[in-house]
Amino acid sequence: DAGITQSPRHKVTETGTPVTLRCHQTENHRYMYWYRQDPGHGLRLIHYSYGVKDTDKGEVSDGYSVSRSKTEDFLLTLESATSSQTSVYFCASQAGTGVTNEKLFFGSGTQLSVL
Amino acid sequence: AQSVTQLDSQVPVFEEAPVELRCNYSSSVSVYLFWYVQYPNQGLQLLLKYLSGSTLVKGINGFEAEFNKSQTSFHLRKPSVHISDTAEYFCAVSDSGYSTLTFGKGTMLLVSP
Repeated sequence: DAGITQSPRHKVTETGTPVTLRCHQTENHRYMYWYRQDPGHGLRLIHYSYGVKDTDKGEVSDGYSVSRSKTEDFLLTLESATSSQTSVYFCASQAGTGVTNEKLFFGSGTQLSVL
Repeated sequence: AQSVTQLDSQVPVFEEAPVELRCNYSSSVSVYLFWYVQYPNQGLQLLLKYLSGSTLVKGINGFEAEFNKSQTSFHLRKPSVHISDTAEYFCAVSDSGYSTLTFGKGTMLLVSP
């Protein structure tokens, strides 16, 4: 299956501190996504990228920024973490042209706790 | 924008019994529909997808789903579940074209002996 790794797997931080989550894929997939998963909300899209340095906002982008300087890496930054950003964060990648019939490959998730 | 409703947050079932997980989506001219599964402490994996053609779609692990355009539904079924099917199941939809996936809130399938 596609090689997607997320780091760290677990993170505890304090309110107001910046946090960066990393996603690395080895499949040369063009599209990459960051989702957050919360009980009762399912998965919600934060940001996505359709190529190097090409990114766009998702449904819940406030308080988050992303960067993609290389095809294989997609970073998610919480500029100033808040308790409402405590969540499980998933990265996903997608092959092909980005037409939405291609399946997503997911990482194993990052559990982030903001105290 | 598309929306997805998974009508049951939790479905308990006994091993070897049949199961149906329900999914409804908001109407659009043309949609792609997906079911993903998430096992404990893992990321999501694709179970099956409907793009066009036959309305009955078969996926991995014995699951199948039926696309019903008139009822805007895409329910997931399995005739006989196993303990190992215990997981959370997510229905997802996208407009045909260059749009991102919208996921439902998930249904937890709990299979007991």
